[in-house]
Amino acid sequence: DADVTQTPRNRITKTGKRIMLECSQTKGHDRMYWYRQDPGLGLRLIYYSFDVKDINKGEISDGYSVSRQAQAKFSLSLESAIPNQTALYFCATSGRQGSNEQFFGPGTRLTVL
Amino acid sequence: GEDVEQSLFLSVREGDSSVINCTYTDSSSTYLYWYKQEPGAGLQLLTYIFSNMDMKQDQRLTVLLNKKDKHLSLRIADTQTGDSAIYFCAESILDRDDKIIFGKGTRLHILP
Repeated sequence: DADVTQTPRNRITKTGKRIMLECSQTKGHDRMYWYRQDPGLGLRLIYYSFDVKDINKGEISDGYSVSRQAQAKFSLSLESAIPNQTALYFCATSGRQGSNEQFFGPGTRLTVL
Repeated sequence: GEDVEQSLFLSVREGDSSVINCTYTDSSSTYLYWYKQEPGAGLQLLTYIFSNMDMKQDQRLTVLLNKKDKHLSLRIADTQTGDSAIYFCAESILDRDDKIIFGKGTRLHILP
């Protein structure tokens, strides 16, 4: 079974709709991240969390919110989706020690019409 | 500022060596990474190097780090069709946030 799972894997929605993307992990990591990937722009950090009570904005947090419901769950919400939020969204986790390697989920492809 | 730069595309013939280059700006980086993204999948760590090392070899992969020039390279020997992917260079900056800064990714295309 995958260590980092994301649901849904694909979603098509309309402008103005509220969308929630969910991420779960079984790695026991404290740190979780949300990124978006756009062609030619690489990965950009939206939000990150170091534990349930610690939420931090990344470089492109406008238009997004997050909730860390438990150590294993970190959800990303788009309160009112707009077309330029069409992208591939990745959740990642990391532990505190060692190489700070991040482990990525399979991604959610979101299309906003 | 923090920035990681890499070329967007590389084409290599099957069996040749691939060399993907990367430059970074932050001299306080501690770890430097190469992640691989296959089509339809998330990123997966390929290899990493600690900033006080010059070279790391792992089977077909060789990572070279020139800290003076802030230059990192990934060499893939005997490139195979399964190596076709996007390769991301990244650096980890040890401050309170231990952020990882990713480059935009290099798409490696294998020619027959």
